[in-house]
Amino acid sequence: DGGITQSPKYLFRKEGQNVTLSCEQNLNHDAMYWYRQDPGQGLRLIYYSQIVNDFQKGDIAEGYSVSREKKESFPLTVTSAQKNPTAFYLCATDTRDSNQPQHFGDGTRLSIL
Amino acid sequence: GQNIDQPTEMTATEGAIVQINCTYQTSGFNGLFWYQQHAGEAPTFLSYNVLDGLEEKGRFSSFLSRSKGYSYLLLKELQMKDSASYLCAVRSSGGSYIPTFGRGTSLIVHP
Repeated sequence: DGGITQSPKYLFRKEGQNVTLSCEQNLNHDAMYWYRQDPGQGLRLIYYSQIVNDFQKGDIAEGYSVSREKKESFPLTVTSAQKNPTAFYLCATDTRDSNQPQHFGDGTRLSIL
Repeated sequence: GQNIDQPTEMTATEGAIVQINCTYQTSGFNGLFWYQQHAGEAPTFLSYNVLDGLEEKGRFSSFLSRSKGYSYLLLKELQMKDSASYLCAVRSSGGSYIPTFGRGTSLIVHP
């Protein structure tokens, strides 16, 4: 069954700690994205990757880092530099065709302890 | 820059029709998408418009006017399960194909 798997579903971070959110896909899509969603804010782009070993900053990249070592995987690290990390994080993929929609994972909800 | 505007919240009655508007200002245009998102869940694709006019899919229809930078999502025969957030997203033309999302419209359907 093709899809996008995000884990964990819930994550808690302590002060000064880095945490990593996982995103795995078996749709064979080239492009992968990370979005942050806050109440009433819609989706804001953190990072995206169009091809393996390449990624670009989105609108709110500060305090986050990513890697794209494999086509299937695009993990997001929330570093201690991100002072307000509490949010719902969504991973998405697409084929890079302009007429095709993005597909989304089920999200990870991150909270500060 | 890119700017996409949607109403923050709408309410409607079960069985009625509701229209959710989206206006956009982007550097070029390469398609507009509507997604539905239930609270705490992933957005799911509803419709796509790239040419002017109406696209119909069952109870849901979406309209686009490129000259006006305007789209709407029309939901007919509303059901309680239609209570959700509706996201408008636009792909611009040019170098970046990355879609830009509006803030979403929270629709509340009451009996």
